[in-house]
Amino acid sequence: AQSVAQPEDQVNVAEGNPLTVKCTYSVSGNPYLFWYVQYPNRGLQFLLKYITGDNLVKGSYGFEAEFNKSQTSFHLKKPSALVSDSALYFCAVRDSNAGNMLTFGGGTRLMVKP
Amino acid sequence: DTEVTQTPKHLVMGMTNKKSLKCEQHMGHRAMYWYKQKAKKPPELMFVYSYEKLSINESVPSRFSPECPNSSLLNLHLHALQPEDSALYLCASSQDHASSYYGYTFGSGTRLTVV
Repeated sequence: AQSVAQPEDQVNVAEGNPLTVKCTYSVSGNPYLFWYVQYPNRGLQFLLKYITGDNLVKGSYGFEAEFNKSQTSFHLKKPSALVSDSALYFCAVRDSNAGNMLTFGGGTRLMVKP
Repeated sequence: DTEVTQTPKHLVMGMTNKKSLKCEQHMGHRAMYWYKQKAKKPPELMFVYSYEKLSINESVPSRFSPECPNSSLLNLHLHALQPEDSALYLCASSQDHASSYYGYTFGSGTRLTVV
């Protein structure tokens, strides 16, 4: 089965600094990768996706992600973090070998401090 | 309308109660999903409906019973739940289930507490 892994349970960053939330994937064939954000007691909100094309994908709220095939990574980035970016972030892959289900990584809590 | 609406937002029920969670979308999506999410964990898939037919049941106990009355509605009927079933229940929809191209649109969830 295809999967994604988020190696960091929590990322701390100061407001105004760049942020990176890491995601690595393990897939056969072409990966379909997604990032979602979840605020407390809320559902998941779509940020961006990589299907094909440019390796740098731009998404909502100033976030972007870089698809790196050689490193099998799809890290989420933002040039300047805001306190309001503090939330739980999930990387996900649609697993074409498992009925096209959306499979999530374990999640990374992002804490942006003023 | 680009939303998935879930009701109620909060639910407290006893172990002998029967209750239902509701989910509605008007985006013309033909696949709908129920997920269960424990605190600080990723969502876990429970059921998938594709074109109003149950296509995936991830070995969920029979005390959870899904229903898809039409293409816009998805229900989750609850009966004789256990305290460990307390969680955030998320509904999601996508354009279709067969294609990997589309992501999911999630509702805000129902916070369920079983006492």
